[in-house]
Amino acid sequence: DAGVTQSPTHLIKTRGQQVTLRCSPKSGHDTVSWYQQALGQGPQFIFQYYEEEERQRGNFPDRFSGHQFPNYSSELNVNALLLGDSALYLCASRETGNTEAFFGQGTRLTVV
Amino acid sequence: AQSVAQPEDQVNVAEGNPLTVKCTYSVSGNPYLFWYVQYPNRGLQFLLKYITGDNLVKGSYGFEAEFNKSQTSFHLKKPSALVSDSALYFCAVRGASGYSTLTFGKGTMLLVSP
Repeated sequence: DAGVTQSPTHLIKTRGQQVTLRCSPKSGHDTVSWYQQALGQGPQFIFQYYEEEERQRGNFPDRFSGHQFPNYSSELNVNALLLGDSALYLCASRETGNTEAFFGQGTRLTVV
Repeated sequence: AQSVAQPEDQVNVAEGNPLTVKCTYSVSGNPYLFWYVQYPNRGLQFLLKYITGDNLVKGSYGFEAEFNKSQTSFHLKKPSALVSDSALYFCAVRGASGYSTLTFGKGTMLLVSP
């Protein structure tokens, strides 16, 4: 059983561009959350999706948006990239009713 | 609002000695508490959790954690450290609601010397 998979693993973008990151949850998991981990910091919650709807949102601007598909996979989109968006973006999935979340290996985004 | 504090940026311990990584939390209602480990350029790996029941919970790789409600703490422990335990450790908390999300501490780097 594959765990949580994210693509791409690394990405370099220019300021002002847009980026899409992808996540496939662990089999049987229907809740997907995205986190941003800046260098030297703990992960910060961006948003959570369940049944294709955004259920919770952290303190991130509207430039950050997402989507969940019927197969529970998810995308994170960031528009008008800033240098400060450079970070490791982590996707986590869990099964509704279960407590622990499982994380992917992350996408390292560098904005230049 | 929920929060997690990990007061130590780094913990140094010699191989074979016991280790403790500290964590305190704040959350409304009953806490769900977690420890995750992160190796360089990798995602987070789940170590253990406290939901309810026995205050001492056991997890992967010989790690355990002690929940103390009165001190709002959830310290990670291991009786005998290994060099391979060297990594970044994160404590996290969430509420009991199904809508609740994880709040992480800033992390503690554990360095185990041979």
